[in-house]
Amino acid sequence: NAGVTQTPKFQVLKTGQSMTLQCAQDMNHEYMSWYRQDPGMGLRLIHYSVGAGITDQGEVPNGYNVSRSTTEDFPLRLLSAAPSQTSVYFCASTFQGSVGYTFGSGTRLTVV
Amino acid sequence: KQEVTQIPAALSVPEGENLVLNCSFTDSAIYNLQWFRQDPGKGLTSLLLIQSSQREQTSGRLNASLDKSSGRSTLYIAASQPGDSATYLCASPGEAGNMLTFGGGTRLMVKP
Repeated sequence: NAGVTQTPKFQVLKTGQSMTLQCAQDMNHEYMSWYRQDPGMGLRLIHYSVGAGITDQGEVPNGYNVSRSTTEDFPLRLLSAAPSQTSVYFCASTFQGSVGYTFGSGTRLTVV
Repeated sequence: KQEVTQIPAALSVPEGENLVLNCSFTDSAIYNLQWFRQDPGKGLTSLLLIQSSQREQTSGRLNASLDKSSGRSTLYIAASQPGDSATYLCASPGEAGNMLTFGGGTRLMVKP
């Protein structure tokens, strides 16, 4: 099925561990982005990409890295996890002149 | 920088009522405005998208309107049902259309 696929759905990390949240889309969308959702804070943009090889920071980029080597994939890396990164992470994609964004089902991350 | 606000934050209505959810934005030069639904612990499902050149969009019992001059969008839900209970989010992309700014959401409960 066409859409945005995120893996894993759930993850528990210890402080200081690293991990990569995966995001893939099969709609040939140029734009991909990562958001985190926290109670009382809403959805906030972490990083985004307007095409392969191009990434930029959003509102809350600290502690996260991204790369975009292909149109389809946009992984989010946590190099040294902190409890403040406990959140639900959503990946989204769209294209220029779009009919709107498509979101993945999310990754619920807990850092202990 | 676009700011998006949703009022009320929570709403409880009896089944069968018609209701209106409000979304306000600060930058009237919006690209489009998208309404999403989010069920507890789930991802975002796109409901309606209104392009900047449009005044409204309809899908079933849902109707979304856009008034750029006043910086407002409304989501009208006709004949509400318990299955409509969810959080409703509105969001608008930046000038280039590639980054979404979200409102805080309205948590709707429809009581049988």
